Amino acid sequence: GQNIDQPTEMTATEGAIVQINCTYQTSGFNGLFWYQQHAGEAPTFLSYNVLDGLEEKGRFSSFLSRSKGYSYLLLKELQMKDSASYLCAVKLTGGGNKLTFGTGTQLKVEL
Amino acid sequence: GAVVSQHPSWVICKSGTSVKIECRSLDFQATTMFWYRQFPKQSLMLMATSNEGSKATYEQGVEKDKFLINHASLTLSTLTVTSAHPEDSSFYICSARDIGEGVYGYTFGSGTRLTVV
Repeated sequence: GQNIDQPTEMTATEGAIVQINCTYQTSGFNGLFWYQQHAGEAPTFLSYNVLDGLEEKGRFSSFLSRSKGYSYLLLKELQMKDSASYLCAVKLTGGGNKLTFGTGTQLKVEL
Repeated sequence: GAVVSQHPSWVICKSGTSVKIECRSLDFQATTMFWYRQFPKQSLMLMATSNEGSKATYEQGVEKDKFLINHASLTLSTLTVTSAHPEDSSFYICSARDIGEGVYGYTFGSGTRLTVV
């Protein structure tokens, strides 16, 4: 089976930096996505990594190490509106390019 | 950008009845659409992959006779929950793949909250 693990919950302070980790063990790998999801809404795309290294996009950065089966999402200058669920998803090789989602991390930003 | 319209946004139905959920790609052709189910405070679980003009591919453990998927055109896929039971109550989300957007081409619908009473 596919295993994609994330911490269940995290709490951080407004203005701070938070790192959300994702570890995966999958049968094949063809890229990793990070999505943000507010309760009752559709996930929105944040970042994509397919090669090792860091991808920076404004306040959000994502890192990938394929040899370690590890990724993280870094959120800087946290705002209250960043309180949401963060999902990592692995695109598997073959299988119609489907995405397999991790367990999800609920982030709460406090004053 | 690409838009996927999903309807209804919420529905309440009686146990034993069937419910149809529609997913439309508004400004692109989606040869592949994905259907997910999400229980409260849990992640998205892929139910099936539907390809236009062919039978859907279901994930292990998903009953294909209970969750009927039809992808009759390049812009429309439907999920019908047949003989619904309270345990089918969940948040259902579709995703359409826009090949023109390359690796970024996964657009999600706004989801359907199904409550079976």
